[in-house]
Amino acid sequence: QVHLVESGGAVVQPGRSLRLSCAASGFIFRNFGMHWVRQAPGKGLEWVAVIWSDGSNEFYGDSVKGRFTISRDNSKNTLYLQMNSLSLEDAAVYYCATDRGVGATFIEYWGQGTLVSVSS
Amino acid sequence: DIQMTQSPSSLSASVGDRVTITCRTSQTISGYLNWYQQKPGEAPKLLIYDVSSLQSGVPSRFSGSGSGADFTLTISSLQPEDFATYFCQQTFSFPFTFGPGSKVDIK
Repeated sequence: QVHLVESGGAVVQPGRSLRLSCAASGFIFRNFGMHWVRQAPGKGLEWVAVIWSDGSNEFYGDSVKGRFTISRDNSKNTLYLQMNSLSLEDAAVYYCATDRGVGATFIEYWGQGTLVSVSS
Repeated sequence: DIQMTQSPSSLSASVGDRVTITCRTSQTISGYLNWYQQKPGEAPKLLIYDVSSLQSGVPSRFSGSGSGADFTLTISSLQPEDFATYFCQQTFSFPFTFGPGSKVDIK
């Protein structure tokens, strides 16, 4: 079955960078679009970004556009999120998730998340 | 960006109750509306996609309906494992947006 394991969450200072990873297994990774979604403590869900199955397209949420970059390595079955210029508002659990299709149709399966804390 | 609202934001219900949650979008989104369930400390889980399609493995007591900009999630007979927070999400246009959530707890 689909298995997604996020890693890379840490405590970082404002203005610093961090890269999250998501290791995928149990499905043909290269055939599916992938998303990042975040959830601040005690808050709702915020969609962050999506990347097409072949990496040909990327789209971002307004609050992260220009600071975050989603990428993937289909040879390693791994999804990434490069986060630059982090602010207090970026503190959240970050989930990686599969799309149903090759691009962006809807989010189907979710990982358990990795926690990013931003503090001086 | 498409704005999402949900009502109620929270509700108390008993096992066996029929529960209805409403999601409204700031513009029409055709059939691109999905519902997720999240329990404390867990990742969200897909329940309904494309307004009314039941995700594999999800009990048939869950159903979705609606069109245009008004959508509904219905739980026909609430079970103990259904106490959770429910989120709608539009996938009509970028950026994809979620509703603020509706928490269902025990009366």
